Amino acid sequence: DGGITQSPKYLFRKEGQNVTLSCEQNLNHDAMYWYRQDPGQGLRLIYYSQIVNDFQKGDIAEGYSVSREKKESFPLTVTSAQKNPTAFYLCASSPGLYTDTQYFGPGTRLTVL
Amino acid sequence: AQSVTQLDSHVSVSEGTPVLLRCNYSSSYSPSLFWYVQHPNKGLQLLLKYTSAATLVKGINGFEAEFKKSETSFHLTKPSAHMSDAAEYFCVVSDRGNQGGKLIFGQGTELSVKP
Repeated sequence: DGGITQSPKYLFRKEGQNVTLSCEQNLNHDAMYWYRQDPGQGLRLIYYSQIVNDFQKGDIAEGYSVSREKKESFPLTVTSAQKNPTAFYLCASSPGLYTDTQYFGPGTRLTVL
Repeated sequence: AQSVTQLDSHVSVSEGTPVLLRCNYSSSYSPSLFWYVQHPNKGLQLLLKYTSAATLVKGINGFEAEFKKSETSFHLTKPSAHMSDAAEYFCVVSDRGNQGGKLIFGQGTELSVKP
């Protein structure tokens, strides 16, 4: 999966709990992304970061938060405000601002019980 | 605004027969186009990419795609399907209007390969 790791692979949480998904890359890429995938649908962009200490909302940012304190790390927190958090979450990275090829991690499947 | 339409949600072929996965796009810019493959519960793997060079793009595992501007299409083909090709395939366009290369994904086409 191209030097991008996500952990854990499977995650279960109770309603009302926040949970943080990890994404680490050793590709020295500047840009990182979080996507959500639901059955039968394409990927939808949650947040992206083009550089350390900067990030932007994607198409479905409500109920999610991120941080980008280090170049190699881009954790995603799914908050209790997210109404339907059960989904497959994919992290990706790309070399820089003007490079549009993205490389994906293996994903984390989150299930809310 | 950019958009992508994958014309088939599911395609079934027999092993050894050709594969055709269809994709149409809409873009205000000269687009970058991609095909990604996803095996169950895995991340996405890049198959191939078009970036305004040759219109016929060769990718990994014997796949190729042809960019046809007049038809706004970017169909994915393979001459002979293998069982290992069974997966979900996504056609993707890059939103050049947004720095950082925001990707617009199609809905996906599930490819089944029968023995």
